[in-house]
Amino acid sequence: QITLKESGPTLVKPTQTLTVTCTFSGFSLSTSEVGVGWIRQPPGKALEWLALIFWNDDKRYSPSLKSRLTITKDTSKNQVVLTMTNMDPVDTATYYCAHTKPNYDILTGYYYNCRFDYWGQGTLVTVSS
Amino acid sequence: EIVLTQSPGTLSLSPGERATLSCRASQSVSSSYLAWYRLKPGQAPRLLIYGASSRATGIPDRFSGSGSGTDFTLTISRLEPEDFAVYYCQQYAGSPLTFGGGTKVEIK
Repeated sequence: QITLKESGPTLVKPTQTLTVTCTFSGFSLSTSEVGVGWIRQPPGKALEWLALIFWNDDKRYSPSLKSRLTITKDTSKNQVVLTMTNMDPVDTATYYCAHTKPNYDILTGYYYNCRFDYWGQGTLVTVSS
Repeated sequence: EIVLTQSPGTLSLSPGERATLSCRASQSVSSSYLAWYRLKPGQAPRLLIYGASSRATGIPDRFSGSGSGTDFTLTISRLEPEDFAVYYCQQYAGSPLTFGGGTKVEIK
């Protein structure tokens, strides 16, 4: 049974760096063609994809936020960590992590089929002074 | 970037009624890499449909997906109390991954 759980601060100040952690069970990020993504949802707004990390430590980021995001994994702890720098009140959102099983084209280096089949319940992060 | 537009924004229906939700893409979604999710407050989002029309594990058959190219539909044949929620479509054919703006299904 695959489960994921997000953890992190509930409140951060503007300009600070956010660090949120996804702790998962039921799969390993050392297994081929497995990935974990981060998605956020501001209050009353739509979902927004942020970042993906794959079993081979390859990473993908949302182009609009790429300069502020870093995603890492600790396979031994079954954790994925997302950091976001220079937080602003518009970054107030529920942050979700989710599991994906992509297909990987070794010739092109392209990851296909990145749907999110298991999600955590999310953690609400408020940015305010 | 593929932009997804969902309609209507809100659907007001009664339990037992049929719900039809639309998701339109700004360009063709190759291989029908289109998914639908249900979000309820305080719960983990749930994958309902992937590949435009395949039900995810454990999803009842009252949920069905259809469409290809740029036009996709999620149909809930008979609304159950737990189906009153917000639904999002997502395309995973191109990078970046994108979601639609959501459709809220509320009790009439």
